[in-house]
Amino acid sequence: EPEVTQTPSHQVTQMGQEVILRCVPISNHLYFYWYRQILGQKVEFLVSFYNNEISEKSEIFDDQFSVERPDGSNFTLKIRSTKLEDSAMYFCASSEQGRDQPQHFGDGTRLSIL
Amino acid sequence: GENVEQHPSTLSVQEGDSAVIKCTYSDSASNYFPWYKQELGKRPQLIIDIRSNVGEKKDQRIAVTLNKTAKHFSLHITETQPEDSAVYFCAAISGGGADGLTFGKGTHLIIQP
Repeated sequence: EPEVTQTPSHQVTQMGQEVILRCVPISNHLYFYWYRQILGQKVEFLVSFYNNEISEKSEIFDDQFSVERPDGSNFTLKIRSTKLEDSAMYFCASSEQGRDQPQHFGDGTRLSIL
Repeated sequence: GENVEQHPSTLSVQEGDSAVIKCTYSDSASNYFPWYKQELGKRPQLIIDIRSNVGEKKDQRIAVTLNKTAKHFSLHITETQPEDSAVYFCAAISGGGADGLTFGKGTHLIIQP
């Protein structure tokens, strides 16, 4: 069964540094998402991406965040100047269509800001 | 925006018994309600979903019911097994063109042998 893959599995970064999290969505999917989960808390929506542009973003997704689809397979989340409170598990997800279609999650990247 | 409340936060049941987890949502235009199972340190895994034009959906030991009037939906697991132990999250997508899932806070389901 096809899966969403994410790299790296764990990223440790100094506060103030830039970090890029990478995702390869399922190949025939058209909608891509980033979510985050702070340890012990619920999953929170960050951003959705369709047709090479942001479709929706939450209030968490401020100017320090950006997303990009640099080629036909990768989907990236960049955090420009990391803060301690950015420490979380970041999940990428994809769906074949948007809105009311199943979203399939990757294994996540654990981001630790020191 | 959407707000999803989930209860209980922890649920302990004897193996073989049934478990019920309940969620309420705020946006009456919401139209898609998935349930995810998350084992410790792993990805959220979609186990069942329901759309607003359906009142109930069943897949083997798992069922979901939706009451649009009351704006609540529930997950029912029958004949529980040890491997059902996990955190379960309900979620909803708002109407009006939203894409992102709004999750509940999760229910830690513990199956007692």
